[in-house]
Amino acid sequence: GNSVTQMEGPVTLSEEAFLTINCTYTATGYPSLFWYVQYPGEGLQLLLKATKADDKGSNKGFEATYRKETTSFHLEKGSVQVSDSAVYFCALVTGGGNKLTFGTGTQLKVEL
Amino acid sequence: DSGVTQTPKHLITATGQRVTLRCSPRSGDLSVYWYQQSLDQGLQFLIQYYNGEERAKGNILERFSAQQFPDLHSELNLSSLELGDSALYFCASSVGRGGGSYEQYFGPGTRLTVT
Repeated sequence: GNSVTQMEGPVTLSEEAFLTINCTYTATGYPSLFWYVQYPGEGLQLLLKATKADDKGSNKGFEATYRKETTSFHLEKGSVQVSDSAVYFCALVTGGGNKLTFGTGTQLKVEL
Repeated sequence: DSGVTQTPKHLITATGQRVTLRCSPRSGDLSVYWYQQSLDQGLQFLIQYYNGEERAKGNILERFSAQQFPDLHSELNLSSLELGDSALYFCASSVGRGGGSYEQYFGPGTRLTVT
């Protein structure tokens, strides 16, 4: 079956630090990959996606590259802000499938 | 704001009771998905409806059922509630039946507390 593994949190960074949140996956077929973000007390928002190998998804300064050879989709941002504090979820969908399979989420705390 | 609405925002009820959670998808979206978020299980897919028909089923208990109405809103019914059913229940919607090309947009969730 499909699965997503994310690095354990919480991750605590100072403002303007570089962010990496690791995500690896196991999937049948060729999945589409997503990063969702959940701010405190809110629902999930799609942050970025990539639908095929070597694609790079990007949004709001965040980037992730679909690496088929390492089955990874690591999230990066060059300079985090306090407003980036949230829980980040890596997820996948395979083929014409319907359900999103999520990782456990990684909490990010950014301090001044 | 994703355009997906869910009611109620919070629900507190007792064990053994039955509740109904409601979701209205974004305008134009035909698919509705239900997910459960709990501390021990994480985010899990429950069920999907597409244009009124059940399309896919995940880890949904037999005590839970859902439907999608002609106006495309959906309801998730939870019965014989147990303490372990306490969780955040999200609804999501998308334009198509499924697949990576169709992004899922999430509502704000309904927090269910069973006492």
